Amino acid sequence: ETGVTQTPRHLVMGMTNKKSLKCEQHLGHNAMYWYKQSAKKPLELMFVYSLEERVENNSVPSRFSPECPNSSHLFLHLHTLQPEDSALYLCASSQTAAAGEAYEQYFGPGTRLTVT
Amino acid sequence: GQNIDQPTEMTATEGAIVQINCTYQTSGFNGLFWYQQHAGEAPTFLSYNVLDGLEEKGRFSSFLSRSKGYSYLLLKELQMKDSASYLCAVRDGNYQLIWGAGTKLIIKP
Repeated sequence: ETGVTQTPRHLVMGMTNKKSLKCEQHLGHNAMYWYKQSAKKPLELMFVYSLEERVENNSVPSRFSPECPNSSHLFLHLHTLQPEDSALYLCASSQTAAAGEAYEQYFGPGTRLTVT
Repeated sequence: GQNIDQPTEMTATEGAIVQINCTYQTSGFNGLFWYQQHAGEAPTFLSYNVLDGLEEKGRFSSFLSRSKGYSYLLLKELQMKDSASYLCAVRDGNYQLIWGAGTKLIIKP
């Protein structure tokens, strides 16, 4: 148990559907992250919320929309996805990075998303 | 651009020692991390290096040379449960984590 939970664990959706992924952290951290993990590729950072402020990532398509209502909860809203969006979506949390401190990220188990 | 390189796959024998290398080129440096990820599970933190040298933690050790842009993870007395992917990540000058693609380690009896 890493203190970060994600639901659902598996999701199959059509390209016209709208769904949301949920992440919750119980570690008292002040930063939360969404990552996309595809086979044999590096983790791709999608969005960061630090102290509940969103750090923009202009390379993420607008069909992915994050929401962070408070420091413990993070959502990823999905709409009109493409088959290439099929991947493992990981949520993580940490303390805001500071010089010399590890403040490592703690990951949730991920949502395995399949777009048909 | 920023880049992290590590071998795609390595094979080792139970009880042996294996070294997984990581080289990096980033804009600034604020520490290097190693994570372990078992198949179908979340990555878990193994080690953090911000100064040159060796950090030892039980059977695992991690080394850093900032001048060479190089790190390695050393696993001793390998066990079957060490079969996993090992991810190298560097925190750049903007405190963003840059990730390698991971090294899949296969342990054979």
